[in-house]
Amino acid sequence: RKEVEQDPGPFNVPEGATVAFNCTYSNSASQSFFWYRQDCRKEPKLLMSVYSSGNEDGRFTAQLNRASQYISLLIRDSKLSDSATYLCVVKYAGKSTFGDGTTLTVKP
Amino acid sequence: GAGVSQSPSNKVTEKGKDVELRCDPISGHTALYWYRQRLGQGLEFLIYFQGNSAPDKSGLPSDRFSAERTGESVSTLTIQRTQQEDSAVYLCASSLEQGAGNEKLFFGSGTQLSVL
Repeated sequence: RKEVEQDPGPFNVPEGATVAFNCTYSNSASQSFFWYRQDCRKEPKLLMSVYSSGNEDGRFTAQLNRASQYISLLIRDSKLSDSATYLCVVKYAGKSTFGDGTTLTVKP
Repeated sequence: GAGVSQSPSNKVTEKGKDVELRCDPISGHTALYWYRQRLGQGLEFLIYFQGNSAPDKSGLPSDRFSAERTGESVSTLTIQRTQQEDSAVYLCASSLEQGAGNEKLFFGSGTQLSVL
């Protein structure tokens, strides 16, 4: 079993749709959690950190469920520019482990 | 510099040759990571440095791979006797590391390695 697992997709949604991505992790002692975004042939960039209390940044909402070892990302009112691969990242003892990513394509 | 710098950006080599990849992290960043990303796949952890020490080398695929960091700055990833399966983008990232809010990873643009 991989340390961090994501549904690879692809998710194809129309503009304005709401889409949710899920991620599970195997190490219950994991300390920090993040979502990164990677555009085609580019390096990953931090989208947002994920906290147990849940956090929101504009159209993006991230949630962490430690009991279920589950992380989610919700994107509301999808834009064409949201098309990318979304990477779930889990950190333990200094090491950041990436999921394989979920690909989102937003269509007009 | 303002960001993480990697060189070369592209490297084409023949099977069996040795290659050296370089990473210049953001000044003051204590943590440095190397990842490998094969075409269409996710990021595969290779090694992590805290200062000049490598607490976690668990991701290095074989003894042909080695990495070092000096002066809590520049890092080099060396691949000996390259094989075709080594072809990938090698990404370096750095972070301030300590304390909440300082864990953001800043990535370089990567080195595209092609082994013929």
